[in-house]
Formats: sequence, structure tokens, C-alpha cells
Amino acid sequence: DAKTTQPPSMDCAEGRAANLPCNHSTISGNEYVYWYRQIHSQGPQYIIHGLKNNETNEMASLIITEDRKSSTLILPHATLRDTAVYYCIVRVDNNDMRFGAGTRLTVKP
Amino acid sequence: NAGVTQTPKFQVLKTGQSMTLQCAQDMNHEYMSWYRQDPGMGLRLIHYSVGAGITDQGEVPNGYNVSRSTTEDFPLRLLSAAPSQTSVYFCASQKWPTQYFGPGTRLLVL
Repeated sequence: DAKTTQPPSMDCAEGRAANLPCNHSTISGNEYVYWYRQIHSQGPQYIIHGLKNNETNEMASLIITEDRKSSTLILPHATLRDTAVYYCIVRVDNNDMRFGAGTRLTVKP
Repeated sequence: NAGVTQTPKFQVLKTGQSMTLQCAQDMNHEYMSWYRQDPGMGLRLIHYSVGAGITDQGEVPNGYNVSRSTTEDFPLRLLSAAPSQTSVYFCASQKWPTQYFGPGTRLLVL
């Protein structure tokens, strides 16, 4: 599996966009980028995934660079409830997911 | 749908005791898995199952057993609890591309 690198922590002002980066320079052509988040003490929650194209759903947008070596998760209007640890995972499928340390996002009023 | 349920929510064991953590899902998913999460750490995969009767080891399987007799249930057994197994345990089921996680079981081994 491709290794991912995420900043350990980030802050964002409430109502502003939160942009969470992820580096995955060794990604293979058939590997997807998945994003999950874990709100304090709860089980992780699926957010979004993508292969090559940018993706958007009701929760977030995923921007993948053309060379696929990095991606950015965008929460367009962050709220206090978005405070969580965000995990970027690269896998061919979603079996045997390996969750690293992730990025701790703190949304501040 | 209840989704993924786990029992108990919290358990205290003494070293050497055994117990079973229960996990059930009502989404008819074939793939289920168990993770543990230590304080300040990410999740680590213990065991997983791709369907009834089929299980395999994940990243940290030692000290744990699993079985999968039905699609719905995937219990995790601690054979002889050790303080190093103090952790939060999450069960998950999945249908691509989403893994659905249970609320977790907090285990303290004294």
C-alpha cells in the first residue's frame, strides 16, 4: 500500500473552508484515496473517496492532483462539529484499511 | 437498520481472564473486521472476515481469536487478557466503498 503523510494538526475558523492535505507520492494507478474522520471516542466515519477525478458529496470535496501524488480534502464551511481526526488512506479496495495518526482538525469559533 | 452494534460498551478484566466482545450487523455485509485503538493512536486491524466461515489475520492478531458462523455476527475472543490489551475495540462491516463502524468497546485489563 502507498504510504500517506498528513500534518498532525490543523486549526480552522468556524464558517471558513478547511483544507486538509495528504501526500501519497508512491500511489499506484489502481489505488483509491479514501478519507475518514473520527469524532472524539466514536468509530470512524466514511467521508469520501476518489481515484483520479475530483469528487464532491454532501460532506466534502476531494481534490486529487493530476499526478495523483497528493490530495486535499475540503470541508467548505467548517462547523464546530467538524472537529475530529481526519484519516487519509490509500488502498486498491477498502479491505484491511490501515489508519495512521491522521490530522487533528480543530474548528474554532 | 441498527447498523453495527457492539456489546459490551465497557468492560474491566483481570489479567488472565477471557472474554468475548460481540459484534453484529444487519446490513447483510460480507466483509467484517475488528480494530483496536490505543490512546492517541490510529486504528490497527486485528482480524477480518470476507464471509461466513472465512477469517484472516490483520496487523495485530496475537492474543485474539475470531470466528464467523453467520453473516451477521463476528465475535472477538480474548483468550487470556493482558494489560497490553487495554484499548478501545471497534468492529466494522463494509460494502465498498464504505466501512461502517460500531460505537466501540472500551476494555481495561488490570
